[in-house]
Amino acid sequence: EAEVAQSPRYKITEKSQAVAFWCDPISGHATLYWYRQILGQGPELLVQFQDESVVDDSQLPKDRFSAERLKGVDSTLKIQPAELGDSAMYLCASSSTRGITDTQYFGPGTRLTVL
Amino acid sequence: AQRVTQPEKLLSVFKGAPVELKCNYSYSGSPELFWYVQYSRQRLQLLLRHISRESIKGFTADLNKGETSFHLKKPFAQEEDSAMYYCALYMNRDDKIIFGKGTRLHILP
Repeated sequence: EAEVAQSPRYKITEKSQAVAFWCDPISGHATLYWYRQILGQGPELLVQFQDESVVDDSQLPKDRFSAERLKGVDSTLKIQPAELGDSAMYLCASSSTRGITDTQYFGPGTRLTVL
Repeated sequence: AQRVTQPEKLLSVFKGAPVELKCNYSYSGSPELFWYVQYSRQRLQLLLRHISRESIKGFTADLNKGETSFHLKKPFAQEEDSAMYYCALYMNRDDKIIFGKGTRLHILP
């Protein structure tokens, strides 16, 4: 069964460093999402892609976060510089069609710790 | 402001007893509600959505617009139901989804 892949699974970095996370959605899924989940909270949508285009990045802190999906397949989320408050689980999800209410398939997540 | 409230962080229920996980929402538009579940060491996954009006793994949830609630229920809890449950609200006016903080369900033997 196809799954969303993410790497790395864990990342420890010092504040002010740059970090990057990678996501490979289920093959053929046009829509890709990045979520941030702070400990004790539910997932918070950061950015949504439809193919290679950003549909919604209103919750993305654009001064330090960036996301791209150049060929409309895999995606990278970058933080530069990382801050202590960025420590969280970063989840990627994909769905087959446009529409945030379509079933989203989640990856295992990347747990980021900023020291 | 739009929000999803799950009042219980932890709910412990004996096996075979009924389960009710509470979810209340605040949204002036037409809502779509979902329940997501995350079992230990597994990925977050969709459990059910209100528009499907289906029962998944014995769980049901009815949207009550008068009480702005979407509680998740199961008549007889099973040990494998132990997991983290998140209620989510889709706001059609904004094309956005927001999640509650989650409730950890612990089924006692």
